[in-house]
Amino acid sequence: AQTVTQSQPEMSVQEAETVTLSCTYDTSESDYYLFWYKQPPSRQMILVIRQEAYKQQNATENRFSVNFQKAAKSFSLKISDSQLGDAAMYFCAYNENNDMRFGAGTRLTVKP
Amino acid sequence: DTGVSQNPRHKITKRGQNVTFRCDPISEHNRLYWYRQTLGQGPEFLTYFQNEAQLEKSRLLSDRFSAERPKGSFSTLEIQRTEQGDSAMYLCASSLPRYGYTFGSGTRLTVV
Repeated sequence: AQTVTQSQPEMSVQEAETVTLSCTYDTSESDYYLFWYKQPPSRQMILVIRQEAYKQQNATENRFSVNFQKAAKSFSLKISDSQLGDAAMYFCAYNENNDMRFGAGTRLTVKP
Repeated sequence: DTGVSQNPRHKITKRGQNVTFRCDPISEHNRLYWYRQTLGQGPEFLTYFQNEAQLEKSRLLSDRFSAERPKGSFSTLEIQRTEQGDSAMYLCASSLPRYGYTFGSGTRLTVV
């Protein structure tokens, strides 16, 4: 069974600084997809970034980038130039072919 | 098409009553998923459909839960004889295979 582990229940970052959220996963497959989702308070889940396991190049979306280490089964999210609007729960997720499995989440606080 | 729509947004019911939630996915998406999310946790997979076929069900989906997607478009999730432990946010998402999910805003169920 695939499991996703987020070891940081809470993280805090100063506005305009950089923060990295950690995620590890367990799988025996070689072809899969990894995602980071953002869930602001009382709002719906939003896809932040997506990584295909067969691609060695790390995905980047504006201020969001990932560090994908396939051998280590690690998939961290880096948020650069943090903004107040980045405050939210962040969920790492694994998808092979069918349903997506989520980690327990990291609550990110952005300090002005 | 403005995204995934879920109704109702909130539902308060007495223990033992039956409730039904509806999800309208993005029309081009052939996959539809139901998740349950409790406070401070990541979404937990319940079931998913490809078109009208229900392809996978979690062990979390007891026999009091049933989901349908009769014409491969909208889906309903019914909970019979609700229990207090059923109180949670019920999330629906849709996708094309191997793409990130688009989530609805969820239905928050409170069983009193």
